[in-house]
Amino acid sequence: DAEITQSPRHKITETGRQVTLACHQTWNHNNMFWYRQDLGHGLRLIHYSYGVHDTNKGEVSDGYSVSRSNTEDLPLTLESAASSQTSVYFCASSELRDPSTDTQYFGPGTRLTVL
Amino acid sequence: GDSVTQMEGPVTLSEEAFLTINCTYTATGYPSLFWYVQYPGEGLQLLLKATKADDKGSNKGFEATYRKETTSFHLEKGSVQVSDSAVYFCALNNTGGFKTIFGAGTRLFVKA
Repeated sequence: DAEITQSPRHKITETGRQVTLACHQTWNHNNMFWYRQDLGHGLRLIHYSYGVHDTNKGEVSDGYSVSRSNTEDLPLTLESAASSQTSVYFCASSELRDPSTDTQYFGPGTRLTVL
Repeated sequence: GDSVTQMEGPVTLSEEAFLTINCTYTATGYPSLFWYVQYPGEGLQLLLKATKADDKGSNKGFEATYRKETTSFHLEKGSVQVSDSAVYFCALNNTGGFKTIFGAGTRLFVKA
C-alpha cells in the first residue's frame, strides 16, 4: 500500500544546531507540504512543492528550507534551530493541481524539541 | 484574510450521544470546506468535504452541510462511539490558492 512516512518520529536538539526532518511518500504525488502543529493554532503551512525542483514558502517559512530533488522526498531543514521551533511537524502530499477539491494525505508527524 | 473558527474543546460525551462540533469560516469567494480527523499518535486524515454551497459531506456516520448564508460547516454524528475519540479539524481552501487553512482543532473524548 502507498504511504507517507516521516523520520525521525521524535527528535531533541539544541539551539543553533541544524536539523533535517525527512518525509517520503510512495503515492507518486506531485504536491508535498510541510506543516507545524501548535496548541491553539491548528496547522500552519511552512513550505510546499508542486513537483521536482519546485519549492514555495508558506505562511511560517522563516528559519526553514526545503528541497525537492525527486518526486518521493521533501526534507525540511531547520538551519539554526530555535526554541520557538519546538513543535510537531507534519508532512503531507496530494495528487491534483486543484487544492480546492484535493485531499491531502498526512504522515504520522515528527515531534521536535529544541532545548 | 481567510480564517476558520472552531468551538473550543475538549468535548466530552457518553457513548451513543449526539455530537455537534461547530465550525464557521471567513473567506472571499467560494471556498471548499473539509473536516479532517487526527487519531492519537497519527497524522490527519480526511473525514469529509463539500465543495459548494448546500453540499452535504458524509462519511463513517459523520456529516456536515456547507451553509453559505451562515458561513458554517458544522460536524454532526447521531451516535458517537469510543473509537470516535480524536481531534477534529475544520479547514478551507479557497479558489486559486494552495493554502489550506485549518482551524485550531477540537478534541473529542467519548466515554463508555
